[in-house]
Amino acid sequence: AQSVTQLDSHVSVSEGTPVLLRCNYSSSYSPSLFWYVQHPNKGLQLLLKYTSAATLVKGINGFEAEFKKSETSFHLTKPSAHMSDAAEYFCVVSDQVSSASKIIFGSGTRLSIRP
Amino acid sequence: KAGVTQTPRYLIKTRGQQVTLSCSPISGHRSVSWYQQTPGQGLQFLFEYFSETQRNKGNFPGRFSGRQFSNSRSEMNVSTLELGDSALYLCASSLQTGLGVNSPLHFGNGTRLTVT
Repeated sequence: AQSVTQLDSHVSVSEGTPVLLRCNYSSSYSPSLFWYVQHPNKGLQLLLKYTSAATLVKGINGFEAEFKKSETSFHLTKPSAHMSDAAEYFCVVSDQVSSASKIIFGSGTRLSIRP
Repeated sequence: KAGVTQTPRYLIKTRGQQVTLSCSPISGHRSVSWYQQTPGQGLQFLFEYFSETQRNKGNFPGRFSGRQFSNSRSEMNVSTLELGDSALYLCASSLQTGLGVNSPLHFGNGTRLTVT
C-alpha cells in the first residue's frame, strides 16, 4: 500500500537561508516520487520527479530532492530561500502496476519566507 | 501553447442539485485526471480518462462521474450535492496515461465549488 507523510505542516525560514521540507513515503512497488508547488488560487506545478535514474534530483527554481531508500525519504531542499518561494508544497507518490495507476498526495507543507 | 483551462472558476450550488465542471487540456494531451482538494481531506484523486476511456479511478462514491470527448476535453459531474462536496476541483492533463509516471501532469487553476 502507498502512503506519503509530510513531517511538517508549516515551515518558516528567513530569506536567503536554506529550505528543508521533509517527506517520508511507503510503497509496495518501485514508485515515482514528485514534489509539486501550489501558489494561492492556482493549480499545482511540478518541481521535480524521481524515477530511479539518480538519487539526487534537480528541479526548477533551484530546488533539489534526494531519494534515500534506506530511510524511505524524499526531502526537498533549496540552498537559499526567495520571497517568491512562499507557497504550499506537496510530496506525491505514484506507481503503475500492470495497467492500473495510483497517486497519493501528502498533506502539504506551507512554506513562509521572512524578509 | 495554452495551458489547462477549467470552467467555471467559481460555482455556488445548493444541496441536492447537480453540477458539471469542464476541463480543456493542453493541445495534444490525451489524458485528463481530476482531483478534489479540501482543507480536511487534502488532495484526493477522483479519476483519469485517456482517449475517451476511464483508465483509473479513486475511492469516491458513484455520485462523482466523468467523461471525455473525442477532442480530449473532459467534464466531471457531481449529482445530489452534499455540503461536504464543497472543494477546489483540479484537473490535470498529460500526454500519456499513468498519473505522472509516464509524462508530466499539467494542472489547471481549478473550479471552486461551494455547496450551501
